[in-house]
Formats: sequence, C-alpha cells, structure tokens
Amino acid sequence: KAGVTQTPRYLIKTRGQQVTLSCSPISGHRSVSWYQQTPGQGLQFLFEYFSETQRNKGNFPGRFSGRQFSNSRSEMNVSTLELGDSALYLCASSSGSKREGRHNEQFFGPGTRLTVL
Amino acid sequence: AQKVTQAQTEISVVEKEDVTLDCVYETRDTTYYLFWYKQPPSGELVFLIRRNSFDEQNEISGRYSWNFQKSTSSFNFTITASQVVDSAVYFCALSEEDTGRRALTFGSGTRLQVQP
Repeated sequence: KAGVTQTPRYLIKTRGQQVTLSCSPISGHRSVSWYQQTPGQGLQFLFEYFSETQRNKGNFPGRFSGRQFSNSRSEMNVSTLELGDSALYLCASSSGSKREGRHNEQFFGPGTRLTVL
Repeated sequence: AQKVTQAQTEISVVEKEDVTLDCVYETRDTTYYLFWYKQPPSGELVFLIRRNSFDEQNEISGRYSWNFQKSTSSFNFTITASQVVDSAVYFCALSEEDTGRRALTFGSGTRLQVQP
C-alpha cells in the first residue's frame, strides 16, 4: 500500500498571502488529521476530517481551514499568512472507524514545510 | 486536560549502549491510547507502537521495548544496543477515547543522538 502523500513538500510565501496544502491518505483510510510542528510549540493538532466532515478541531484561529473530498483526499488552507505560520505541516491518515479496528493508529506523511517571509 | 511530558530534551549515547526514553502522561479518561513515534531528519513521523489503557503488558519488538505502568502514568521506551540509525527525535503521544477526542496530544520530544 502506498503511504500518505503530501504536496507540495516545500513552499515559500509572503505575509498576507494564502496557501493550500494537499494530503492523500492511505488507500481505504477515511480519516485525515492535520498537525502543525514548530520549534516553539511542538506538534499541535489542527483538525480531523472523516467522511468529508470535520470531526475534531484544535485551538487555531479561523484563518486555518480544511476540507475533505469524497475520495478522502484533504486540503488545508491558511489565509492571511503570518510569520508565525512558518512550520512543518503534517498530515496523518487512519481508518477512523472503530469497527475496522486500530481506528486511531495514525500514519503520517512526509509533511509540507511552509516558510513565510 | 490531557498532557504528555517528556522531560529528557536530548540524550547522547555511544553505539551499543542501552537507552530509555521517559514519557509521563495525564488524562481523566479511563480509556485512552499511548503511542511512540520516531522522527528522523527527513521529518516524517514513523509509527512505532500503540498501547491501550487496559493492556499493561510490556512489549518487545527486536531491540525496542516498552514499559507501561498505569500506577505511575508512564510509558517508557527502551532501545537495547543502540545503533547510529536510531538517531532521531522520539515523540510520545496520547489519544483519549472517552471524550471522543482522538487527536494525538504529543510530548515535546526527546532527541536521541547515537555516536559511533
């Protein structure tokens, strides 16, 4: 099975711009979660999507949003970029359903490194 | 609120030494899961193990072993006979089930450097 893929791998933007990151989960996985990793704050949960619905949300401002498509692929959008948004954004996929067992084992992609200048 | 503490910021050992990475967690849920992930310099988080709160059996996988003790809220990770390829940042994480909040809460990570 192919792993989680994220595009692009690297991105440079300037303050005020917006950015969209993409994540394709492992085939058959319906849950996609997004995390932000910074040296100062560590790894923090952004949100989770399951079957095209946002199921959980972390403590981030409304500038951070996401969506999930019917094929489980997910996009994350950050509007009005700030310098502090520079981070490694990690996407994780899991089966998401208790009936399928091991529902919360999350497998991560390689991340998108975003630099805001 | 849930919390994961990895008090060791950085550990440096010489190849073939054993090393233990500490993890202490806090949660009010009775059903929860604990995880360890490895993050090599490439950045990708590699899943190592998942343990649920009702299973306190220790686990061994090759040179890796995990010691889960509910009484002390700890889930420690030991690498036996460390190798240079073990050099990475290791994260302990917690996922709560009772509240339905299955997002991973991560510790701050322990950077392990294995010197040849």
